[in-house]
Amino acid sequence: LAKTTQPISMDSYEGQEVNITCSHNNIATNDYITWYQQFPSQGPRFIIQGYKTKVTNEVASLFIPADRKSSTLSLPRVSLSDTAVYYCLVGDQNSGYSTLTFGKGTMLLVSP
Amino acid sequence: DVKVTQSSRYLVKRTGEKVFLECVQDMDHENMFWYRQDPGLGLRLIYFSYDVKMKEKGDIPEGYSVSREKKERFSLILESASTNQTSMYLCASSTSLGGPTDTQYFGPGTRLTVL
Repeated sequence: LAKTTQPISMDSYEGQEVNITCSHNNIATNDYITWYQQFPSQGPRFIIQGYKTKVTNEVASLFIPADRKSSTLSLPRVSLSDTAVYYCLVGDQNSGYSTLTFGKGTMLLVSP
Repeated sequence: DVKVTQSSRYLVKRTGEKVFLECVQDMDHENMFWYRQDPGLGLRLIYFSYDVKMKEKGDIPEGYSVSREKKERFSLILESASTNQTSMYLCASSTSLGGPTDTQYFGPGTRLTVL
């Protein structure tokens, strides 16, 4: 079971790029890396998912080094509305749902 | 868009009461999940269901049971509510095409207070 470690919290200012790193040292060969975002008083929502190298969508980029022992979620030019908790998950289709855990996430606070 | 609805946003119950939390999804998803979220502890999986009448325990099933009689509906039951079950409860659903990598779609949550 791949366990993830993220910073508890991060602070940023509007317009800055924010990088949140997740450590998953014992990631398995078939594991994918998935990030969710949760706003206050809402359920989490999917942001991005990747297996290796770089993935980009309209919301964020996900950087995964060759050894895949960590991954970095990059949010370009954050705004106040990006204040949320960000969760990193690692799992694969063979590991079973009971092993896919959200953990505590990283609380990102964006200030003016 | 996928829509996951939960029967109540806020609920107040007394210790010992039987509590039902209902969740409905409209996307014909095979999988449904119940989580609880507490400050400092993140989201923790209580139960999940991968088909009608099928269920599996998550990380913290003690004190809870679930029911899935129809594909679109997944119920969480607190047989005898206790104060330590005061929490935010989140329901989610997903397809089963790729296993745990499938996107989970969450409802708005039910904040349950047990007095």
